[in-house]
Amino acid sequence: SQQGEEDPQALSIQEGENATMNCSYKTSINNLQWYRQNSGRGLVHLILIRSNEREKHSGRLRVTLDTSKKSSSLLITASRAADTASYFCATDPGDTDKLIFGTGTRLQVFP
Amino acid sequence: GAGVSQSPRYKVAKRGQDVALRCDPISGHVSLFWYQQALGQGPEFLTYFQNEAQLDKSGLPSDRFFAERPEGSVSTLKIQRTQQEDSAVYLCASSLTLWTGAYNEQFFGPGTRLTVL
Repeated sequence: SQQGEEDPQALSIQEGENATMNCSYKTSINNLQWYRQNSGRGLVHLILIRSNEREKHSGRLRVTLDTSKKSSSLLITASRAADTASYFCATDPGDTDKLIFGTGTRLQVFP
Repeated sequence: GAGVSQSPRYKVAKRGQDVALRCDPISGHVSLFWYQQALGQGPEFLTYFQNEAQLDKSGLPSDRFFAERPEGSVSTLKIQRTQQEDSAVYLCASSLTLWTGAYNEQFFGPGTRLTVL
């Protein structure tokens, strides 16, 4: 079964707007990662946040982590049409190296 | 350098057929993972190798699923007597695994889309 649940399941916005996706997970984690998946392609790693971190930035991406609530959010600022993809959070429980993925958010950015 | 490659990219099988899916990890990567992604869902872990050793196969859904990595490089996921519920994208990922407990980024292949009729 999947570890995380993400909301919204789908999100449609205009170019230039910000997109926020949320992820909740169930067990303790070593770190949490966000991945992007374009249609018909593999997953691309975007950003990692460790369990002792609360916020991290990378370019137009901002990730927050609240371990007390077992939740994370991904903010994409000034979105572009090329950001259209599915976004998944994935947790590393720390006991093995396997990743446990959420259900994903499908983002559509209209030009 | 080349990334993770998988073949075939698409496979159509009749119910009951056996299939074999291949993964070529990034050269030198110690760890290799297989995930199954059903339509509209996130990937789900199947199995994990460190070199040729299969350290975790807890995600394999049934004994019809078998994975191997005999020389610690290329891996094959075999599904025997395929069923319709096996239809999914099968993703392979590899990581360098510098040391246990450190973050080791997983690099994903494009996946094999299996359709069982």
